[in-house]
Amino acid sequence: EPEVTQTPSHQVTQMGQEVILRCVPISNHLYFYWYRQILGQKVEFLVSFYNNEISEKSEIFDDQFSVERPDGSNFTLKIRSTKLEDSAMYFCASSVRAPTSLESGELFFGEGSRLTVL
Amino acid sequence: AQSVTQPDIHITVSEGASLELRCNYSYGATPYLFWYVQSPGQGLQLLLKYFSGDTLVQGIKGFEAEFKRSQSSFNLRKPSVHWSDAAEYFCAVGGAGKLTFGTGTQLKVEL
Repeated sequence: EPEVTQTPSHQVTQMGQEVILRCVPISNHLYFYWYRQILGQKVEFLVSFYNNEISEKSEIFDDQFSVERPDGSNFTLKIRSTKLEDSAMYFCASSVRAPTSLESGELFFGEGSRLTVL
Repeated sequence: AQSVTQPDIHITVSEGASLELRCNYSYGATPYLFWYVQSPGQGLQLLLKYFSGDTLVQGIKGFEAEFKRSQSSFNLRKPSVHWSDAAEYFCAVGGAGKLTFGTGTQLKVEL
């Protein structure tokens, strides 16, 4: 069964360092997303991406964050200068079509990348 | 703004007992509603979703949920819980990929 894969599963970094989290969405999916979950808190939307551009982003997704689809398979989240409060589990997700479609609507999530900022 | 409330942080049930996990939402229009499950070390798996039509929705693993507009609720149910159902359950509202999640309910199953 096709799945969304994320690497690394866990990354520890020093405050101020750049981090790139990688995701390989399901191959025929067109919409890509990043969510994050700070320990003990709810899963929060960060950004959605379609047709090589950001469709929507949340207030959390400030200038230190960026996303890219550098080739036909990878989808990356870059955090330019990490802060302590960026420590969280980051989930990548993908979907075939925009989830407002009555025929789809399912986001397929990866297992997450746990980021620890020291 | 859309929001989701899951009032129960932890629930413990005995194996074979019935289960109901509560979810209340706030949304300005007809909501798209979802239940996801997260097992330890795993990603979020979709259990079921509601877009329109029949208010009782069947999902995977024997789960169902009922949409009640008058109560702004979308409670998840299962008639007989299995030990493998122990996990964290998230209710979510929204669409276009911008889902708003609740804080989750941790389900523990006693043998």
